Amino acid sequence: NAGVMQNPRHLVRRRGQEARLRCSPMKGHSHVYWYRQLPEEGLKFMVYLQKENIIDESGMPKERFSAEFPKEGPSILRIQQVVRGDSAAYFCASSLRTTPPNEQYFGPGTRLTVT
Amino acid sequence: QKEVEQNSGPLSVPEGAIASLNCTYSDRGSQSFFWYRQYSGKSPELIMSIYSNGDKEDGRFTAQLNKASQYVSLLIRDSQPSDSATYLCAVTGDGTASKLTFGTGTRLQVTL
Repeated sequence: NAGVMQNPRHLVRRRGQEARLRCSPMKGHSHVYWYRQLPEEGLKFMVYLQKENIIDESGMPKERFSAEFPKEGPSILRIQQVVRGDSAAYFCASSLRTTPPNEQYFGPGTRLTVT
Repeated sequence: QKEVEQNSGPLSVPEGAIASLNCTYSDRGSQSFFWYRQYSGKSPELIMSIYSNGDKEDGRFTAQLNKASQYVSLLIRDSQPSDSATYLCAVTGDGTASKLTFGTGTRLQVTL
């Protein structure tokens, strides 16, 4: 019973390139969340998606960041024209439901380094 | 005022002792409360969830919730060196606010 899967685990991009991070939720889970952990900082919510819908993107930067969760395939977090400040660990989590306790399980993360 | 507050530590306890980790939150509408463990360079691992006032026990772990005081705690009995990690407190809001709001974490060190 596979957990949340993320790839790639490590991603190096030069400034100005695009980064694509992928997340496959746990089997049976239809709720996907993306979080970012900057060096020496706490985890911050970015976006919450269900299949084909963005439910809450209140934590997403207004520019360069986008997310999708298509009907088929993994959820994708896209960062266009990356800058050094985007270097962070990006974690995806999934949950089975949203009613309490709404337990979210995290994937191993993608560590993005912008050079 | 931070939404979820934790003492950053480090909290140092000897092996076999009880470790007590505390967390306060500001949103009275918060519904569910979680404790995650995060080893350095790894992803958060869910340890406990609680959403009713009182205690919830799971093995060596006990979560305590007091909504009136806006306070949640985690007790770890018979602490082991492998428990040394950062413990993150997280809460969800009311209604459809499913996102987790995290504290900055408490670093626990279990000494031999």
